[in-house]
Amino acid sequence: GAVVSQHPSWVICKSGTSVKIECRSLDFQATTMFWYRQFPKQSLMLMATSNEGSKATYEQGVEKDKFLINHASLTLSTLTVTSAHPEDSSFYICSARVAGPPTDTQYFGPGTRLTVL
Amino acid sequence: GQSLEQPSEVTAVEGAIVQINCTYQTSGFYGLSWYQQHDGGAPTFLSYNALDGLEETGRFSSFLSRSDSYGYLLLQELQMKDSASYFCAVQGTGGFKTIFGAGTRLFVKA
Repeated sequence: GAVVSQHPSWVICKSGTSVKIECRSLDFQATTMFWYRQFPKQSLMLMATSNEGSKATYEQGVEKDKFLINHASLTLSTLTVTSAHPEDSSFYICSARVAGPPTDTQYFGPGTRLTVL
Repeated sequence: GQSLEQPSEVTAVEGAIVQINCTYQTSGFYGLSWYQQHDGGAPTFLSYNALDGLEETGRFSSFLSRSDSYGYLLLQELQMKDSASYFCAVQGTGGFKTIFGAGTRLFVKA
């Protein structure tokens, strides 16, 4: 199946710093990638939809200036958490969409666990 | 808006069959997906239903009724390794984005 990688897998940073997370589709091109956040024992919350070559579409309540998304190529999308604070600590997961037929599938990266001190 | 409902927890024994139901409300509908997630890991794709009926993949099957806005995931011959969280997810309008349910935590006991 399609493989999506994320880097880094975990990161610890000080409050006020910025952190960049990369999401790559390794063996296919993804015109659409999604960024999710997941708190422990909770569901995946969609943060934004990232389309190659255009601005990301953010979900309601997600701060565009705080979570910067860039999708510069068909295989790479990045999420930058700017001026991170402890409440931003979470599991961030990206996915890449592979459109059908007969199915429409998202392949998830392994996730990045962010801890802000 | 879009919302999904699924049970929070299900417990079953090895070798048994378990069904996890999912009802949804969405503006527009393209398909219902199911994902499995083990603790600390990323979700993995299990199945996708765009049309009514049953899709079978090995021990797992998924069913969809568009008229009832309802689907279920059926797991047969349960194994201990099936203990995980299972999410139903719906694709509505707006760029095929996928919205996830709250997840069902499945505990498989010996």
